Amino acid sequence: AQTVTQSQPEMSVQEAETVTLSCTYDTSENNYYLFWYKQPPSRQMILVIRQEAYKQQNATENRFSVNFQKAAKSFSLKISDSQLGDTAMYFCAFMWVGSQGNLIFGKGTKLSVKP
Amino acid sequence: DGGITQSPKYLFRKEGQNVTLSCEQNLNHDAMYWYRQDPGQGLRLIYYSQIVNDFQKGDIAEGYSVSREKKESFPLTVTSAQKNPTAFYLCASSMGREFSATDTQYFGPGTRLTVL
Repeated sequence: AQTVTQSQPEMSVQEAETVTLSCTYDTSENNYYLFWYKQPPSRQMILVIRQEAYKQQNATENRFSVNFQKAAKSFSLKISDSQLGDTAMYFCAFMWVGSQGNLIFGKGTKLSVKP
Repeated sequence: DGGITQSPKYLFRKEGQNVTLSCEQNLNHDAMYWYRQDPGQGLRLIYYSQIVNDFQKGDIAEGYSVSREKKESFPLTVTSAQKNPTAFYLCASSMGREFSATDTQYFGPGTRLTVL
C-alpha cells in the first residue's frame, strides 16, 4: 500500500523569505505522479505543482518548485519570496498510474506567512 | 464559467437520516471523485467514477452511496449506516479515461456536514 508522510504539522515563515515543506512517500510502483495541493482558509483545494516520476527534472511553477528525489522517495516543496496569500494548509499527494485516479494524501502542513 | 459546484455549503442532519450532497461540473470531465476530510487529516477517497453509469468504491465507502446517471453530476448520499458522518466533503473531477500527464484533479468548494 502506498503512504504519504508530511512530518511538519506546522511551519511559519517571514514574508519574502523562502520555506521548504517536506514530503516522503512509500511505494513499490515505478510509474506514478506526485502533487502539492494548497488549501487556504476558504478550504478550496488548489493544485500548486505536479511532478511525473519518470521525469528527472524538477517541476517549477513561478515561485513554487520541488526537489524530487526518486531513490529517497522524497518530494519537498520550496516556496520562494513567500507572500501573505501563501498562508494555507499544504498537502502532498501520490497517484499511481494504474490507480484510476486514486490520490493518496498526506496529513498536511499548516504554513503561516508572517508580515 | 467552467468549474465544479457543490451544494449546499453547510448541511445539518439528525442522526438516523440519510442526506444527499450535490456535485456538478461543467468541465466536460469523464471522471469524478468524492473525498472526506477530517480535522488534522488529509483527504480520503470515498467513491469514484470514470464514466457514466459506472463507479467504484474508494478506501472508506462504507455508509455511503453514489450514482452517476449524467456525466456532469455525481451526488453522494450519506446513509444512516455511516457511524461518524460529521466531516468536510470534497468533490473533484478530472479528464479521466486514460490517465495522462494532464489528468489533474480539480476540486469543488466542499460541503460541511454536521450531524446533530
